[in-house]
Amino acid sequence: NAGVTQTPKFRVLKTGQSMTLLCAQDMNHEYMYWYRQDPGMGLRLIHYSVGEGTTAKGEVPDGYNVSRLKKQNFLLGLESAAPSQTSVYFCASSYSATSGGKDTQYFGPGTRLTVL
Amino acid sequence: GQQVMQIPQYQHVQEGEDFTTYCNSSTTLSNIQWYKQRPGGHPVFLIQLVKSGEVKKQKRLTFQFGEAKKNSSLHITATQTTDVGTYFCAQRAINDYKLSFGAGTTVTVRA
Repeated sequence: NAGVTQTPKFRVLKTGQSMTLLCAQDMNHEYMYWYRQDPGMGLRLIHYSVGEGTTAKGEVPDGYNVSRLKKQNFLLGLESAAPSQTSVYFCASSYSATSGGKDTQYFGPGTRLTVL
Repeated sequence: GQQVMQIPQYQHVQEGEDFTTYCNSSTTLSNIQWYKQRPGGHPVFLIQLVKSGEVKKQKRLTFQFGEAKKNSSLHITATQTTDVGTYFCAQRAINDYKLSFGAGTTVTVRA
């Protein structure tokens, strides 16, 4: 099993350009998450999904859109990139979102995005 | 919203020494999880605590959940260079789908 994979690994954009980050998991997990990580701020939740066809806003959703058309994939879109979106983006998935040992989150390797 | 306080932000440790990092919440928690992120890597799950007062050990790492289920600690004994990285606590409030991550404690080790 590959676990959680993310593409691309690195990307440089100019202000105003758009792009889509792809996350895929092969663990049959219901829940998927997109985080951004900035120095000194930990992991901040952008959007999440509790199942195929569903999405919800997290802590910092502005400037991002997501889609979960297939259970195994969770896409993060930037329609008009801004320098403030320079960050490392992590995707994660979990079997459940309730306590009991099945809500452990498995993270992908990350995408390092620079917006000039 | 849920506030996650993690201290200290940085911990510089002499190899062989012990240290502790703390995680505090403003609300009662359903569970708390700890993750480790090596430099340049991604967060990796270490452990989950669920019960009030729970203590779990993983070799030189000891994790504790407070009696009121509002705080937790990670204690590392005899620090080694392999302990370098950032340790995050992640809290789940009762009836919440989401984990809230602390800012992390970044550990460096002097040989």
